[in-house]
Amino acid sequence: DADVTQTPRNRITKTGKRIMLECSQTKGHDRMYWYRQDPGLGLRLIYYSFDVKDINKGEISDGYSVSRQAQAKFSLSLESAIPNQTALYFCATSDPRGNTEAFFGQGTRLTVV
Amino acid sequence: DQQVKQNSPSLSVQEGRISILNCDYTNSMFDYFLWYKKYPAEGPTFLISISSIKDKNEDGRFTVFLNKSAKHLSLHIVPSQPGDSAVYFCAAGLNYGGATNKLIFGTGTLLAVQP
Repeated sequence: DADVTQTPRNRITKTGKRIMLECSQTKGHDRMYWYRQDPGLGLRLIYYSFDVKDINKGEISDGYSVSRQAQAKFSLSLESAIPNQTALYFCATSDPRGNTEAFFGQGTRLTVV
Repeated sequence: DQQVKQNSPSLSVQEGRISILNCDYTNSMFDYFLWYKKYPAEGPTFLISISSIKDKNEDGRFTVFLNKSAKHLSLHIVPSQPGDSAVYFCAAGLNYGGATNKLIFGTGTLLAVQP
């Protein structure tokens, strides 16, 4: 089983709909992140959380919200989806102890039509 | 404002030769740098990292070089293999309170290793 699991893996939704992407992890990490990947733009940080009570905006948080339901769960919501939110979304976790890498889920491909 | 830049969107190399992927950054406060590899339909996976107190880190066929004065890092893959064909992202992080904070990623370079 993957250490960082994202659901759904693929989703097509209509403009104006609310959608939630979910992420769960078994690595026991306190830190969790949401990134989106767009062609030519790389990975951009949407939101991050350093523990259950800590939520921070990233580079491109407008149009998104998050919820950290537990140490292992971090969900990303699009309150009213728009076509330019069509992208590949990645959840990641990291260990706060020292310089360590982030571990990524397999991604959710979201298409807003 | 792109703090981490990979100016080459793609690179093609012959199998067995050296692949050199480059990355530039603008924030002199970054103190930890990483390279990730990404295959289609998969999440990025960690490849190699380097702390700002070093100028080189090596792991098998992969070596990362850091030039702090130039705000430049590079990843060398020797020898390149077809299985190395993927998108490579560089990332930079800031260290707060003894731990790496959020990572800022570059735009990625698509490496194609030709058999």
